[in-house]
Amino acid sequence: NAGVTQTPKFQVLKTGQSMTLQCAQDMNHNSMYWYRQDPGMGLRLIYYSASEGTTDKGEVPNGYNVSRLNKREFSLRLESAAPSQTSVYFCASSRDFLSGDTQYFGPGTRLTVL
Amino acid sequence: QQQVKQSPQSLIVQKGGIPIINCAYENTAFDYFPWYQQFPGKGPALLIAIRPDVSEKKEGRFTISFNKSAKQFSLHIMDSQPGDSATYFCAAVKAAGNKLTFGGGTRVLVKP
Repeated sequence: NAGVTQTPKFQVLKTGQSMTLQCAQDMNHNSMYWYRQDPGMGLRLIYYSASEGTTDKGEVPNGYNVSRLNKREFSLRLESAAPSQTSVYFCASSRDFLSGDTQYFGPGTRLTVL
Repeated sequence: QQQVKQSPQSLIVQKGGIPIINCAYENTAFDYFPWYQQFPGKGPALLIAIRPDVSEKKEGRFTISFNKSAKQFSLHIMDSQPGDSATYFCAAVKAAGNKLTFGGGTRVLVKP
């Protein structure tokens, strides 16, 4: 099992460009999450999908959109990238959306917006 | 304003030493407190976790101490090894749902 996979690994964008970060899991998990990691701030939740067919905002959703394409895949879209969105993005999944369900993280996408 | 405050930001110890990382929270709605370990270039991975009805939990060389009245918890790494060099994050989860609220992270370096 690959666990949680993310593509691309690295990306450089110019301000105003758009892109989609892809995430897939092969653990048959119901819940999926997108976080961003910035120095000194830990990871912050952008959006999550408690189950297939649902999505909700997390702590820092502005400037992002998500799509739960099916049970396996959860994508994050930047419509008009800004330098403030330079960060490392992590996708995670868990069996269910219950307190204590372990979240498994992908390897991350390092995004730079110039 | 961070809901989970973590200190110190970085820590250097000699092999065999005991790095201690502290976290504090305000929201009493949190009921699950995991610690994640992250190596450079990798995603975080669950290390150990505790619920507030327990004051201490040990898994191998890793121990969580929990003080519910003070709303503080800490991670101790016993007999630390160079392979423990990583960034450690404390986190908290509210009873309803599974959204992780992370502390700012502590970079631990264990010197041989």
